[in-house]
Amino acid sequence: ETGVTQSPTHLIKTRGQQVTLRCSSQSGHNTVSWYQQALGQGPQFIFQYYREEENGRGNFPPRFSGLQFPNYSSELNVNALELDDSALYLCASSPRGLSSYEQYFGPGTRLTVT
Amino acid sequence: AQSVTQPDIHITVSEGASLELRCNYSYGATPYLFWYVQSPGQGLQLLLKYFSGDTLVQGIKGFEAEFKRSQSSFNLRKPSVHWSDAAEYFCAVGAGSTGFQKLVFGTGTRLLVSP
Repeated sequence: ETGVTQSPTHLIKTRGQQVTLRCSSQSGHNTVSWYQQALGQGPQFIFQYYREEENGRGNFPPRFSGLQFPNYSSELNVNALELDDSALYLCASSPRGLSSYEQYFGPGTRLTVT
Repeated sequence: AQSVTQPDIHITVSEGASLELRCNYSYGATPYLFWYVQSPGQGLQLLLKYFSGDTLVQGIKGFEAEFKRSQSSFNLRKPSVHWSDAAEYFCAVGAGSTGFQKLVFGTGTRLLVSP
């Protein structure tokens, strides 16, 4: 059984640029959630995707957007990068229903904005 | 709003000693509770979960946690710590509403293991 994978591992961008992060969900999981983990903090929920639609969002501005594809993989896009966007971005997959709370995380993408 | 408090930022335990990491949550209904572990530069690994039923739950790597509704707590325990247990530990509560499920995390406790 393949776990959650994310790419790239590390990324360095300049303020104002745009970035796309990618995630492949665990086999059998159709729901994908994205979290931002700033240094020294716990992960913060960005949004969740199910059936290729965003079905829940945390307190993040619209310049954070996403996609989910028919194979349940997902992308996180961030426009107009700010220095505070520097963080570890974690993708988590889960099955639908109550078990969606039981989320399995990928290794993350470390984004540095300079 | 749902929240999780982990009062200890750092804890140092001698190898072989017992461990207890504290977690308090704020949630109106029956909570869904989780403990995750994060090694340096890694993602989060699920250690154990509580949905309902027996308030003492067993997890991987010899960890267990006890749900105490009266204290709004879900403390993580291990009887004998190994050097490989050194990592960051996060407690989380399942939140959200109809249609989506999110996890609300505490700020984490860093476990240091001394020889």
